[in-house]
Amino acid sequence: DAKTTQPPSMDCAEGRAANLPCNHSTISGNEYVYWYRQIHSQGPQYIIHGLKNNETNEMASLIITEDRKSSTLILPHATLRDTAVYYCIDDAGNMLTFGGGTRLMVKP
Amino acid sequence: DTAVSQTPKYLVTQMGNDKSIKCEQNLGHDTMYWYKQDSKKFLKIMFSYNNKELIINETVPNRFSPKSPDKAHLNLHINSLELGDSAVYFCASSQDFAIRAGELFFGEGSRLTVL
Repeated sequence: DAKTTQPPSMDCAEGRAANLPCNHSTISGNEYVYWYRQIHSQGPQYIIHGLKNNETNEMASLIITEDRKSSTLILPHATLRDTAVYYCIDDAGNMLTFGGGTRLMVKP
Repeated sequence: DTAVSQTPKYLVTQMGNDKSIKCEQNLGHDTMYWYKQDSKKFLKIMFSYNNKELIINETVPNRFSPKSPDKAHLNLHINSLELGDSAVYFCASSQDFAIRAGELFFGEGSRLTVL
């Protein structure tokens, strides 16, 4: 079962930053946090992952709190094509279990 | 070129039938997976193969039998289909089993409907 908690849905205006929170209060010290997204009718797509340092790539930034109990995925300039379900996952036992995720709706 | 491809994309069949879903990856990855996404959109791992060897089998009924003829292919055969098997099945691959070091690449999914 998923051990992360995310809000079920969020809205964001096009061009603004989308900040998606995730609680992973039971994460162990050596477990990574992964973020994926699933656009309607497609397979999940990897976005980013991190252990304890903040990470940035061409898609997003990942901010992990110092106690590692929560993280925030930041899409700096959301576009309509970013509308998707975003999953925050910890990799317990080298298995990725996807919970309900956050349905992000980017609006014009 | 599609990195992870699954066929068929849609499959409608009667209860009790046997069906197969095929998956191929052209990424040169060592590890392949099958995931099941139910109606509530939860995505759960079913199987994982590393270099043709089964490494994860997550409490899946033995009506489901994965087969990996080579490390680029992982097929899923389902016997005696039941209504509860209706779902979207996703194939995925990763460079190796050390998921912590990499990412999963997913196929587009195969929607199975059992009538």
